[in-house]
Amino acid sequence: GQNIDQPTEMTATEGAIVQINCTYQTSGFNGLFWYQQHAGEAPTFLSYNVLDGLEEKGRFSSFLSRSKGYSYLLLKELQMKDSASYLCAASTDSWGKLQFGAGTQVVVTP
Amino acid sequence: GAGVSQSPSNKVTEKGKDVELRCDPISGHTALYWYRQSLGQGLEFLIYFQGNSAPDKSGLPSDRFSAERTGGSVSTLTIQRTQQEDSAVYLCASSLGGLAGRDEQYFGPGTRLTVT
Repeated sequence: GQNIDQPTEMTATEGAIVQINCTYQTSGFNGLFWYQQHAGEAPTFLSYNVLDGLEEKGRFSSFLSRSKGYSYLLLKELQMKDSASYLCAASTDSWGKLQFGAGTQVVVTP
Repeated sequence: GAGVSQSPSNKVTEKGKDVELRCDPISGHTALYWYRQSLGQGLEFLIYFQGNSAPDKSGLPSDRFSAERTGGSVSTLTIQRTQQEDSAVYLCASSLGGLAGRDEQYFGPGTRLTVT
């Protein structure tokens, strides 16, 4: 079967760093996406990894290990506006069919 | 330019009625996707359309659900004989569709469906 696992909730202090882990097991794999979703809003794209390694984009970085079926999203210098749900999604075919995890709610405290 | 739009934003319907949800993708995007998000849950894939290819309907939960895409643009998701478990936010997304499934998907604001 297909499975995407990520923690339900994480809490961190403003200015700190948080790492959200995601493990996946899918019948096909064509890359790993991370999306951010604020409450009541649509998901917005953060990052895409298809090759092993770290991709850095400003305060956000994403890592992929295909052999381990593992990814993480690293959020640095946390700001209050980063409080949101972070969705891990595996692309499972050549047409962008995404299998999503349940999302990790990140709570940033002052 | 304009993003993905969906209508209505909210829909309340009685159990057993049919509903139609509409999605207008970003102009020029060849790929269109429908997802469902129940309260506190992740996004569940329903169906996608990619150019002129046959749609992938593998995520539709039952034969009460159907979708079409007219003229390669607007899409309508139809739920017949609605049930209370159909209550969810229905999200539409579109992408350029040119990079073999590696394109970013742009999401619409969703339609919140409540079946009473």
